[in-house]
Amino acid sequence: EAGVTQSPTHLIKTRGQQATLRCSPISGHTSVYWYQQALGLGLQFLLWYDEGEERNRGNFPPRFSGRQFPNYSSELNVNALELEDSALYLCASSLGGAEQFFGPGTRLTVL
Amino acid sequence: QKEVEQNSGPLSVPEGAIASLNCTYSDRGSQSFFWYRQYSGKSPELIMFIYSNGDKEDGRFTAQLNKASQYVSLLIRDSQPSDSATYLCAVNMYGNNDMRFGAGTRLTVKP
Repeated sequence: EAGVTQSPTHLIKTRGQQATLRCSPISGHTSVYWYQQALGLGLQFLLWYDEGEERNRGNFPPRFSGRQFPNYSSELNVNALELEDSALYLCASSLGGAEQFFGPGTRLTVL
Repeated sequence: QKEVEQNSGPLSVPEGAIASLNCTYSDRGSQSFFWYRQYSGKSPELIMFIYSNGDKEDGRFTAQLNKASQYVSLLIRDSQPSDSATYLCAVNMYGNNDMRFGAGTRLTVKP
């Protein structure tokens, strides 16, 4: 069974640009979660999508947004990139809100 | 008070010893508790979860939960150098699939 997949693996942008990160959950999982992990810091909860709806968001500005598609894959958009947005962005999926399984992450670098 | 607290370490143990990792959480209503292992540069990997007070054993790993004290721990018996990683405690808080992570404890097992 395929795990959570994320693309791209690496993304380099300049300040002010927009970044789009993608995630495909484990087959059958309906919930997708996004986390930010800045260097040396813990996982910070960004967004939770379930059945196509945004269920909860963490303490991040509105320029962090996303959506979940009918096939349960998800997209995270970060607008007006700032240097401090450089981080590893992790996507996780779950079934029924229990254990979350993580993808390999997208490393975003903002120059 | 942080929602989920862990000692950042580093915790260093000799090969073959027992490693003990601790975590406290703030939400008394939390029901689900997870331990993830994260190798440097990789995404978190779920190794244990526990829902009920007491101990839960899986191979060399034992998770312990004390809801009255809002405390969860992970014991690793017969520690191996391959266990060297950062261990993340995660708690499903507030009854809405809102997973909060501790900052992680870095464990080093010395041969």
